[in-house]
Amino acid sequence: DVVMTQSPLSLPVTVGQPASISCRSSRGLVFSDGDTYLNWFQQRPGQSPRRLIYKVSNRDSGVPDRFSGSGSGTDFTLKISRVEAEDVGVYYCMQGAHWPRTFGQGTKVEIK
Amino acid sequence: EVQLLESGGGLVQPGGSLRLSCAASRFTFSNYAMSWVRQAPGKGLEWVSTISVDGGTTWYADSVKGRFTISRDNSKNTLYMQMNSLRAEDTAVYYCGRSGQFDYWGQGTLVTVSS
Repeated sequence: DVVMTQSPLSLPVTVGQPASISCRSSRGLVFSDGDTYLNWFQQRPGQSPRRLIYKVSNRDSGVPDRFSGSGSGTDFTLKISRVEAEDVGVYYCMQGAHWPRTFGQGTKVEIK
Repeated sequence: EVQLLESGGGLVQPGGSLRLSCAASRFTFSNYAMSWVRQAPGKGLEWVSTISVDGGTTWYADSVKGRFTISRDNSKNTLYMQMNSLRAEDTAVYYCGRSGQFDYWGQGTLVTVSS
């Protein structure tokens, strides 16, 4: 199975400051179609997960542009340019290139 | 907006069975693979199973293989998960998600396995 390793697991941030979450996969995530299937999800307290980013760097509809994804190979990053109070929650990376699908452990973002 | 509405969760004894349903609306259900993901209390996300658009191909996590069966009825726009031989470690909120990339999620249904 592809192991997804996130860091940090806890991220206290100040409103208005940037935040960055790292995700490393144990093998490459390029599918046979040539695309890299690395997704990012946000789960606010008490809510269902919501996809933010697909295929490394594509924002889903309605996702604020302060969220961005980057990376290649086995190293990927989710960045929040200026954290807002509504960004509190747990963020997960997930690989969609191999079976079984696997998620990172989650990174809890909280406001200082 | 895409809607996914899970139902069928509840309290069941170890060794028992449950069938979850996920009613889909506001998109062409038969055009998408569908998936189940679960989240144990206070824990992270765990992929459970995915089914192809026509139901002909299925994938399962090792933790549920042989006990859970995913299926779909495209005429009813509904996804199912038959869960047999339930264990305490199957206790979780079960979410249905659109496709194998989970672009949309339902609100979840809680399954509690306990005596």
